[in-house]
Amino acid sequence: GAVVSQHPSWVICKSGTSVKIECRSLDFQATTMFWYRQFPKQSLMLMATSNEGSKATYEQGVEKDKFLINHASLTLSTLTVTSAHPEDSSFYICSASRTGARGLIGYTFGSGTRLTVV
Amino acid sequence: QKEVEQDPGPLSVPEGAIVSLNCTYSNSAFQYFMWYRQYSRKGPELLMYTYSSGNKEDGRFTAQVDKSSKYISLFIRDSQPSDSATYLCAMSGGGAQKLVFGQGTRLTINP
Repeated sequence: GAVVSQHPSWVICKSGTSVKIECRSLDFQATTMFWYRQFPKQSLMLMATSNEGSKATYEQGVEKDKFLINHASLTLSTLTVTSAHPEDSSFYICSASRTGARGLIGYTFGSGTRLTVV
Repeated sequence: QKEVEQDPGPLSVPEGAIVSLNCTYSNSAFQYFMWYRQYSRKGPELLMYTYSSGNKEDGRFTAQVDKSSKYISLFIRDSQPSDSATYLCAMSGGGAQKLVFGQGTRLTINP
């Protein structure tokens, strides 16, 4: 149980175009989803936290107009990289938190999306 | 000072050795402690999850949390080449749902 499906797993796009990454919770409702960025040989850097039906909360230094996050349903969150440039090339990972009656149960991660902007 | 400190390694040990991975943290509000394993170009995979202080064992893996020292550990017994990966500690708490990660330790088990 507790599977998060992330698509696409890799994408190459031209500079100036936009790319959408989808993250779906397959067997649970994800009230809160997180988007991370990871550079080679580095840890995960939290970009934003999204709650279903409300605007995402972005971490300091993350451009909200460049990285558009939509969390329109309890099972789907999307990250759109707008007007992508080569410096946006990175590994993007989504995560969903699961809570129960006693509080936090855990976090489930997607398999990641490798974005290359040429 | 980072909220979570983890030695990035790399750490290389022979097959069968006991591996000890550690993290320290500064935020006393953290209550949930996790260890993730990440293979190259894949998403993190949850290995161990501990709430508050104590030990937890699962097969060859043991997680320890010492909240008084703000120190957590992951032990891997009888290490296998397939354990070669990056290991990330992560924690949350204090009303914030977001996970704070350590830098990750690159581990290689040599046959």
